[in-house]
Amino acid sequence: KAGVTQTPRYLIKTRGQQVTLSCSPISGHRSVSWYQQTPGQGLQFLFEYFSETQRNKGNFPGRFSGRQFSNSRSEMNVSTLELGDSALYLCASMLASGTYEQYFGPGTRLTVT
Amino acid sequence: GQQLNQSPQSMFIQEGEDVSMNCTSSSIFNTWLWYKQDPGEGPVLLIALYKAGELTSNGRLTAQFGITRKDSFLNISASIPSDVGIYFCGGATNKLIFGTGTLLAVQP
Repeated sequence: KAGVTQTPRYLIKTRGQQVTLSCSPISGHRSVSWYQQTPGQGLQFLFEYFSETQRNKGNFPGRFSGRQFSNSRSEMNVSTLELGDSALYLCASMLASGTYEQYFGPGTRLTVT
Repeated sequence: GQQLNQSPQSMFIQEGEDVSMNCTSSSIFNTWLWYKQDPGEGPVLLIALYKAGELTSNGRLTAQFGITRKDSFLNISASIPSDVGIYFCGGATNKLIFGTGTLLAVQP
């Protein structure tokens, strides 16, 4: 079974721009979560989607948003990029919401200049 | 953001040694998870624990769900060079919160 895939793997953007990252979960998994990983803050939870509905949200500003499609694929969007948004963005899928056995993708490395 | 306290922060050991690390929280969790992350990759799930006191093994790895539900432990026996990486604990009730990570270096 194919794992979680994320595209693109690497991205360089300029301050003020916006970016959209994509995640395809493991086949049959309906829950997708997004995390931001930085050396200083570690792994921080952004949000979780299940069956196209946001079920949980972390403490991030409204510039961070996401959505999930009917095929469980998910996108996250960051608007008005700031230098501090430079990070590894990880997507994780799990079979159903609440089991917490999450399987991570390789991540998208975003650099904001 | 919220993180769990994980210790030690880093470990530098010789191949063949056993390793112990732990994760503590002021909150109670229903689930404890242990992940390993290699450079440039996403974390990989090693062990999941669902019951206080539960002891679960995965090869040379053994993890325990603390009785108080506020902590968890991971042991690696007879370490090998490919054990190198960052180990994260995760605690969950209605969302998953990660520890600060333990960097493990194994010298052949």
